[in-house]
Amino acid sequence: QVQLQESGPGLVKPSETLSLTCTVSGGSLSNYYWSWIRQPPGKGLEWIGYIFYTGSTYYNPSLKSRVTISVDTSKNQFSLKVNSVTAADTAMYYCARTGGRAGGDHWGQGTLVTVSS
Amino acid sequence: DVVMTQSPLSLPLTLGQPASISCRSSQSLVYSDGNTYLNWFQQRPGQSPRRLIYKVSNRDSGVPDRFSGSGSGTDFTLKISRVEAEDVGVYYCMQGTHWPWTFGQGTKVEI
Repeated sequence: QVQLQESGPGLVKPSETLSLTCTVSGGSLSNYYWSWIRQPPGKGLEWIGYIFYTGSTYYNPSLKSRVTISVDTSKNQFSLKVNSVTAADTAMYYCARTGGRAGGDHWGQGTLVTVSS
Repeated sequence: DVVMTQSPLSLPLTLGQPASISCRSSQSLVYSDGNTYLNWFQQRPGQSPRRLIYKVSNRDSGVPDRFSGSGSGTDFTLKISRVEAEDVGVYYCMQGTHWPWTFGQGTKVEI
């Protein structure tokens, strides 16, 4: 059974960079897309972007200039960086395995990131 | 971006009652490969989202058969034949046809 686990700082200062890692166990990264999705407190879901195991990336245009998603197949991990964060980036961040356009079929438990000085 | 509009936003129910959630998209969700990438997710309180239905009507493994999805083009429905206590949570439709993929606002199901 594939499992995903997010990790990273829970508190980031405004204007700094948010960095998260998703570790995948119980399966390899091959042949799937791997996504980051976020959910501000009490609000709905936003797809940040996704990466194919070969490294091809797709970013939400609303965040594209500030976001980088990368993959490390040797560690079975993929990562998210969001630059120049503001309070609006405060959210629960989820990683998910994505079988193409059918959305995420396996999700991590999520990690709450708060942007505050 | 494709706007996904769900109704109702709140759905108070009694155990054993049927439930129906509507989801409408601002553009057709038929992709160039002929598939319609409309998916449904359940988010129980304090949990991650879980996919229930993919490509309009395909139930994920382990999803009870009281959940069903239907629709076409821009108009879709998630039905629960008989609501159980474990069905409490927020339900989201999500389109994977047009990038960026987008979710509906969510429908809160309460018992």
